[in-house]
Amino acid sequence: SQTIHQWPATLVQPVGSPLSLECTVEGTSNPNLYWYRQAAGRGLQLLFYSVGIGQISSEVPQNLSASRPQDRQFILSSKKLLLSDSGFYLCAWSPRTGSGTEAFFGQGTRLTVV
Amino acid sequence: GDSVTQMEGPVTLSEEAFLTINCTYTATGYPSLFWYVQYPGEGLQLLLKATKADDKGSNKGFEATYRKETTSFHLEKGSVQVSDSAVYFCALSRIGGGTSYGKLTFGQGTILTVHP
Repeated sequence: SQTIHQWPATLVQPVGSPLSLECTVEGTSNPNLYWYRQAAGRGLQLLFYSVGIGQISSEVPQNLSASRPQDRQFILSSKKLLLSDSGFYLCAWSPRTGSGTEAFFGQGTRLTVV
Repeated sequence: GDSVTQMEGPVTLSEEAFLTINCTYTATGYPSLFWYVQYPGEGLQLLLKATKADDKGSNKGFEATYRKETTSFHLEKGSVQVSDSAVYFCALSRIGGGTSYGKLTFGQGTILTVHP
């Protein structure tokens, strides 16, 4: 069966520090991969998605970037964090083909920028 | 663009009460519709889904019917439990392959609290 791992679970970082969040998927190949952010008390916003190694699409302008160095690895990064980057970050995957169109989510990373 | 609108929360109910969380959507074509649930401090879990008009998704006593004529996908449960306390998200996804799969548009979420 497929599983998705996301780490760390919580992170407290000072303003101006770098960020690296990692997500890996097991049990499938060629997945579509996604990074979502959930700000406190609000819904989910799609930040990036990727359909293949090295292929990244950004949905909103922001201080963050994403990379996909391997088929089942997706990394969210920042060179200098802002207070407004605080939130709950969720990685997700979906199959490239098939009858279902849902996404499957990791457990999330709670990022607090202080 | 696509959008999903959920009823404002939070919703507070007593155990065994009937639950309805309204969800309406705007999208071109024929999207798939989903309800996700998020327990405190956790990621999202798929609760149920429907991929075409008049489909009824159901799971764990929850159900929702895809109503194309009213562009709605309301979540219902006949008798809620304390363990159902969570945030519920309605979402849609365009049907199609490649980049469309899993690219979800979410509603703002509805917080449900069930008291004993």
